[in-house]
Amino acid sequence: DVKVTQSSRYLVKRTGEKVFLECVQDMDHENMFWYRQDPGLGLRLIYFSYDVKMKEKGDIPEGYSVSREKKERFSLILESASTNQTSMYLCASSSPGSSGANVLTFGAGSRLTVL
Amino acid sequence: EDKVVQSPLSLVVHEGDTVTLNCSYEVTNFRSLLWYKQEKKAPTFLFMLTSSGIEKKSGRLSSILDKKELFSILNITATQTGDSAIYLCAVARGSTLGRLYFGRGTQLTVWP
Repeated sequence: DVKVTQSSRYLVKRTGEKVFLECVQDMDHENMFWYRQDPGLGLRLIYFSYDVKMKEKGDIPEGYSVSREKKERFSLILESASTNQTSMYLCASSSPGSSGANVLTFGAGSRLTVL
Repeated sequence: EDKVVQSPLSLVVHEGDTVTLNCSYEVTNFRSLLWYKQEKKAPTFLFMLTSSGIEKKSGRLSSILDKKELFSILNITATQTGDSAIYLCAVARGSTLGRLYFGRGTQLTVWP
């Protein structure tokens, strides 16, 4: 069964800490995405990547950075966590070509709490 | 600014009821509209719609797109408690490397 795996389901961090959220997919997908999901706001795109070492800003990139050193792995980094980054973080991937690029496969999510 | 609007934001029904979830959109260079179901974890793909008037069906779920009026509906007949979830509508634009624009979701609760 194809999968997108997020390394941590639940994390609790303190304000100012550096936080790494890891995402690995085993589908050989080119595109990978990081969304955050907050009640009443839906899913908002933070960053996405369409190739190794490539990245594009989404709608809310402030306070975040990403790394894509290998095709299967896409990391989200919070350089200095703040309480307003408490959220559910969802990683997703897809493959380009005809309509495939638009069908995202999601990971189970990482719920981050910043104290 | 591109927009995807879902309604209602929440809905409570009893088992056996039929529900209709709505999604309207205003995006440039529309390519496709997708529906996802999210229970406690990862959103799972339901349908992708690209053409007007062609109904997609899967069991008790069905969906249709109207590209002239810029909306889609998701119907669920004979609802069951297992249909309780957040239903997400998302729109893809052409040439945007696969990114989706999501609505806020509809929280559906089905009581036994």
